[in-house]
Amino acid sequence: QQPVQSPQAVILREGEDAVINCSSSKALYSVHWYRQKHGEAPVFLMILLKGGEQKGHEKISASFNEKKQQSSLYLTASQLSYSGTYFCGTYSGGGADGLTFGKGTHLIIQP
Amino acid sequence: EAGVAQSPRYKIIEKRQSVAFWCNPISGHATLYWYQQILGQGPKLLIQFQNNGVVDDSQLPKDRFSAERLKGVDSTLKIQPAKLEDSAVYLCASSYPLAGGGNEQFFGPGTRLTVL
Repeated sequence: QQPVQSPQAVILREGEDAVINCSSSKALYSVHWYRQKHGEAPVFLMILLKGGEQKGHEKISASFNEKKQQSSLYLTASQLSYSGTYFCGTYSGGGADGLTFGKGTHLIIQP
Repeated sequence: EAGVAQSPRYKIIEKRQSVAFWCNPISGHATLYWYQQILGQGPKLLIQFQNNGVVDDSQLPKDRFSAERLKGVDSTLKIQPAKLEDSAVYLCASSYPLAGGGNEQFFGPGTRLTVL
């Protein structure tokens, strides 16, 4: 089942903070966060694993509550380059590890 | 390091025609995925390959969609015949396992299909 993301859209001024949430009805092994700009491919931001390990490439932070099957992505001191659509993708374990993505959160950063 | 390559980038066809998309994953990535992304939605997994074997095709509409990865490298996704609702971006991704678990999926630029 598709994870639910909230909010659907956020408009911020440069330098403000934002939190994007992802909630699943299934037990999760991992949560993956991607950012997609218009007309481009999704770009990997972070993976959060059951057990607490996190791996990411950018200066962003995230949390994963295994008991509630929820994850949150924290964007602090936002920059214009943070604009785009953020997707969480979830994996519940098993041999096939394709992701189930939410509908996305649109983030607009204004100068 | 070269990324995931896809072609064509754009394709416009009439309904009931057939179309094929090509994907070349990142060198050394054994796992390859095809996702369908309809406008305004997140990517939806269609099929996953491990080397040249299918791991998951549970969401692939097999009456019209087919995919293959004959030599465990390149892959093609075919639609025959196409329907209006197949209009979407078709994304190919490849992945490698991360130490400690999980994997990082790298996406290609996608093929934007418009069915008229």
